[in-house]
Amino acid sequence: DIQMTQSPSSLSASVGDRVTITCRASQGIGNYLAWYQQKPGKVPKLLIYAASTLQSGVPSRFSGSGSGTDFTLTISSLQSEDVATYYCQKYNSAPYTFGQGTKLEIK
Amino acid sequence: QVQLVQSGAEVKEPGASMKVSCKASGYTFTSHGISWVRQAPGQGLEWMGWISAYTGNTNYAQKLQGRVTITTDTSTSTAYMELRSLRSDDTAVYYCARGTISAAGKFDYWGQGTLVTVSS
Repeated sequence: DIQMTQSPSSLSASVGDRVTITCRASQGIGNYLAWYQQKPGKVPKLLIYAASTLQSGVPSRFSGSGSGTDFTLTISSLQSEDVATYYCQKYNSAPYTFGQGTKLEIK
Repeated sequence: QVQLVQSGAEVKEPGASMKVSCKASGYTFTSHGISWVRQAPGQGLEWMGWISAYTGNTNYAQKLQGRVTITTDTSTSTAYMELRSLRSDDTAVYYCARGTISAAGKFDYWGQGTLVTVSS
C-alpha cells in the first residue's frame, strides 16, 4: 500500500505568517490528493482536492500544489482561526490513506 | 442540505461487537459511496473501508479485513459499519463520510462522529 508522510508533525507560527505543510506519497498518485482541516473537537473538513482545487467556501489564503509524489499546502497569511490539524489523503484508489497529520498552532 | 447523522455513543466490552449507523439525507443516496474513518483519542485519521451505495460493492482496509463489515439499507438511506472482536485499541470516534460522484475517496460531507469506548 502507498504510504503518506507529512512534515512537520507540528508547527507554531505567528498570525500573518506564510505557512507550508508538505505531504509525500511513497508512490506516484497523480493529482489525487486532498487536504482536510480538523479543528479541535470538530469533524474533518475538505479544504483542497485534486492537489490544488479549493473546495467551495474555503478562504483563498489556502492553496495547494504538487503532483506525483510531492505535495504542499500553503496558508498565505495565517489567521487565528486556522489553528487545526491538517491531513493529506490519497484518493486515486483504495485504501484511501491519510497522512499522520500536522498540528498547527499560533505562536 | 446534505446531512449524515450517526447513532449515539456506545460502551462495549472487549470481544463484543459494535454496529454504528449513518443516516443520509439531502441527496440521492445511491449516487455516492460511503466510507468509514476512525480516530483514536489524540491520534490521526484512519480509513476503514468503503461501500458503493449503488452496487453494494465494498473495499476494506487490510488491517481490519475479517473484523469489519459495511452495509447499506437503501430503503432508509442508511449505512452501517459493524466491527467484531473488539479490543481496547478500537476505542475511537468513528465517522462516516460521503465520497463524491467523481471520486469515491474524496470526502465532502462527514457525519458528526460516534464515540465507541471498549473497556471492561
